[in-house]
Amino acid sequence: DSGVTQTPKHLITATGQRVTLRCSPRSGDLSVYWYQQSLDQGLQFLIQYYNGEERAKGNILERFSAQQFPDLHSELNLSSLELGDSALYFCASSVGRGAKNIQYFGAGTRLSVL
Amino acid sequence: AQKITQTQPGMFVQEKEAVTLDCTYDTSDPSYGLFWYKQPSSGEMIFLIYQGSYDQQNATEGRYSLNFQKARKSANLVISASQLGDSAMYFCAMREGWVQGAQKLVFGQGTRLTINP
Repeated sequence: DSGVTQTPKHLITATGQRVTLRCSPRSGDLSVYWYQQSLDQGLQFLIQYYNGEERAKGNILERFSAQQFPDLHSELNLSSLELGDSALYFCASSVGRGAKNIQYFGAGTRLSVL
Repeated sequence: AQKITQTQPGMFVQEKEAVTLDCTYDTSDPSYGLFWYKQPSSGEMIFLIYQGSYDQQNATEGRYSLNFQKARKSANLVISASQLGDSAMYFCAMREGWVQGAQKLVFGQGTRLTINP
């Protein structure tokens, strides 16, 4: 168990809908990262928050947004969903400082858009 | 250009044998970190081992070791005495440089390792 909690584990929804994925980081970690894993794109970095502020952005679509709350949990909002958004979405957390700064991953949320 | 290349889509190994999973990387940044993660069929991503670009020694974590050849830009994962539970997808990842609080990992395409009894 990595200590990173993601909910829900599975999500099935329809095209055009909006969903929210939730992540609770490990105790003491200030950074939260979101990744998308799909068959065609592999594992792609989406966005990172550090202590409530956005710190790095990857190939995140404009339909997607995220935030990190004062208690350090994070939410990834996906809107106007398309079939191609079906993927495994990971949250990871780390202390956010230093060279090593291991990112520990949650179990993921599997999103199916029908 | 691919920053992380894993050339072995799949590998089959007999139980108790050692196995080497290849990873080459591309960066011009002198400060970087290299990571290996394991993804079993259940889907979670499990951190295995880390190597920093300035580390003088090859990293080791139990049965896992990293064969780091900086000049060749390779960071191969070695698993000694493989076990059936080692069957999984293995990903090599790189973090380039670091700015306080701003970091991301770039992943390779992965190698699917199957351990045969």
